[in-house]
Amino acid sequence: DTGVSQNPRHKITKRGQNVTFRCDPISEHNRLYWYRQTLGQGPEFLTYFQNEAQLEKSRLLSDRFSAERPKGSFSTLEIQRTEQGDSAMYLCASSSRGTIIEAFFGQGTRLTVV
Amino acid sequence: AQSVTQLGSHVSVSEGALVLLRCNYSSSVPPYLFWYVQYPNQGLQLLLKYTSAATLVKGINGFEAEFKKSETSFHLTKPSAHMSDAAEYFCAVSAPNTDKLIFGTGTRLQVFP
Repeated sequence: DTGVSQNPRHKITKRGQNVTFRCDPISEHNRLYWYRQTLGQGPEFLTYFQNEAQLEKSRLLSDRFSAERPKGSFSTLEIQRTEQGDSAMYLCASSSRGTIIEAFFGQGTRLTVV
Repeated sequence: AQSVTQLGSHVSVSEGALVLLRCNYSSSVPPYLFWYVQYPNQGLQLLLKYTSAATLVKGINGFEAEFKKSETSFHLTKPSAHMSDAAEYFCAVSAPNTDKLIFGTGTRLQVFP
């Protein structure tokens, strides 16, 4: 097992375009979390899943953002009509014991909106 | 509501010197506390965590932190800095009945030869 995998590692897009990121958690991990980290700040919680169920969403997750985990394995995070303020590092984490205290983070996807 | 405050956005030390990164937390319930390290363009790596067991927690790479309830602090220390310790360090808090981490704004550690 190679840990939490995120693709792509970097994405540059024009304002107004849609983007989708993928997160592959550690095998058998039933919880999956998305965080966003802007420059000079700590990561901020966006949402998390237990298996395929999305259990909580932050107010940060506007209606332009949607996250899915259709089969309880990998997850996707889509941003529609990107804005420059969406430029950030998007981090994914997964956990096997159902709590954040046992979570492992991926290397993140850095999004730049130009 | 929970929060963490990291005092000092930048800390510089000489190689071999003591590293002290400060973190104070606010929580209405007994918290879980974490320190993570982030290297440039990388994700977060867990250094150590406090989950209501021993108040002095030892982590990887020679780091340790002490939970002090009276001071609402969880400062990170390392007796002797290495050049490879240069990175961004984040303190985080989580309540036992929630499932998300609240991060501080980070402290960038520079190590000079």
